[in-house]
Amino acid sequence: GENVEQHPSTLSVQEGDSAVIKCTYSDSASNYFPWYKQELGKRPQLIIDIRSNVGEKKDQRIAVTLNKTAKHFSLHITETQPEDSAVYFCAASTPAGGQNFVFGPGTRLSVLP
Amino acid sequence: DTEVTQTPKHLVMGMTNKKSLKCEQHMGHRAMYWYKQKAKKPPELMFVYSYEKLSINESVPSRFSPECPNSSLLNLHLHALQPEDSALYLCASSQDREQGNYGYTFGSGTRLTVV
Repeated sequence: GENVEQHPSTLSVQEGDSAVIKCTYSDSASNYFPWYKQELGKRPQLIIDIRSNVGEKKDQRIAVTLNKTAKHFSLHITETQPEDSAVYFCAASTPAGGQNFVFGPGTRLSVLP
Repeated sequence: DTEVTQTPKHLVMGMTNKKSLKCEQHMGHRAMYWYKQKAKKPPELMFVYSYEKLSINESVPSRFSPECPNSSLLNLHLHALQPEDSALYLCASSQDREQGNYGYTFGSGTRLTVV
């Protein structure tokens, strides 16, 4: 089955700097890769997603890149703000698995003022 | 309405109790899910309903029993739980999973403590 790894497990950046979180997946059939942000005590919220027919997607300060050959995808946050502090989970989904995502273990991002 | 509503928000139950968690969405989503999340861990899939039919049961113990009365409602019946079942239980919904992949909308969760 699918296995998703995520690095780093914790990340601290200064406000205004960029943050990058990387994920790798094992199943080459995976074709959909969402990213979720979970603030302390709150629900996971979808912040951006990418499909396998696209190499990059951007939404304001957030971007995701996908390298299908290497089977990895990354979340890029620019001009970080304190409210970006949260746990970020990547996930992968295969056609056979429908929308039964396999989540990465998470990255705790701290943006220091 | 773009939300998934879960009740109760908090629940404390004894190991001999029977309780139910409830989830409701009115976005027309035809797939609904139960996830379990332990502290500092990612969500783990428990059950998937597609068009009100159970399609996936990820080898969850029988003390957890899901029910999908209609396309908007999802319940999780709990009986004879163990302390290690204490966790945040998240409900999620998504568009028709047969039409492709879409992100989930998660509910706020029920924080369950088994004593």
